Amino acid sequence: EVQLVESGGGLVQPGGSLRLSCVASGFTFNNYAMSWVRQAPGKGLEWVSVIRRSGGGTYYADSVRGRFTISRDDSKNTVYLQMNSLRAEDTALYYCTKTKYGGNWDDYFDYWGQGTLVTVSS
Amino acid sequence: EIVLTQSPVTLSLSPGERATLSCRASQSVSSYLAWYQQKPGQAPRLLIYDASNRATGIPARLSGSGSGTDFTLTISSLEPEDFGVYYCQQRGNWPLTFGGGTKVEIK
Repeated sequence: EVQLVESGGGLVQPGGSLRLSCVASGFTFNNYAMSWVRQAPGKGLEWVSVIRRSGGGTYYADSVRGRFTISRDDSKNTVYLQMNSLRAEDTALYYCTKTKYGGNWDDYFDYWGQGTLVTVSS
Repeated sequence: EIVLTQSPVTLSLSPGERATLSCRASQSVSSYLAWYQQKPGQAPRLLIYDASNRATGIPARLSGSGSGTDFTLTISSLEPEDFGVYYCQQRGNWPLTFGGGTKVEIK
């Protein structure tokens, strides 16, 4: 059974930093690109970032490029999202997702974690 | 950036009725479109990918169609578990984008 378990969310002041983690199980982690998708309270879904398998490349939405960094540790089946210079508009539930086809940045999301809430407020 | 426009915003139907949800792309995404369902307090679930392929475990009463810029998700006969918010998502062009959602509610 595929499981994705996020952690690391919380309340942070504007300009602050957080690092999200997602531990994966139930599939061959290093065969798949992994992605983060967020959802602001009461709003729709927004793709944030993706990291290709074997660390082959990273991609970001314009809204977070230069502030967020995605990384992975295949030995720990874990993907991370380092979030710096946080803004109020980054407040959202952050979902870790497994890509369906696995190979590239352009993909669908066939498994989702339950999300970790990030609140940016003073 | 490709904008996905979903309609209607809300669909009020009774169990057993047919539901037709639309997703229109601002430019062609070929067949690179997916549909997700999200229930309150839950993560989204992949229903349909590449416009018409059902994901694992998705019942046959759900079907997807379309290509280019116009796509449809059809639920032939609504079951209680089908109520929720439905999102479309494209992977045809950078960046990946989602539609704004259609809420299917019980009439």
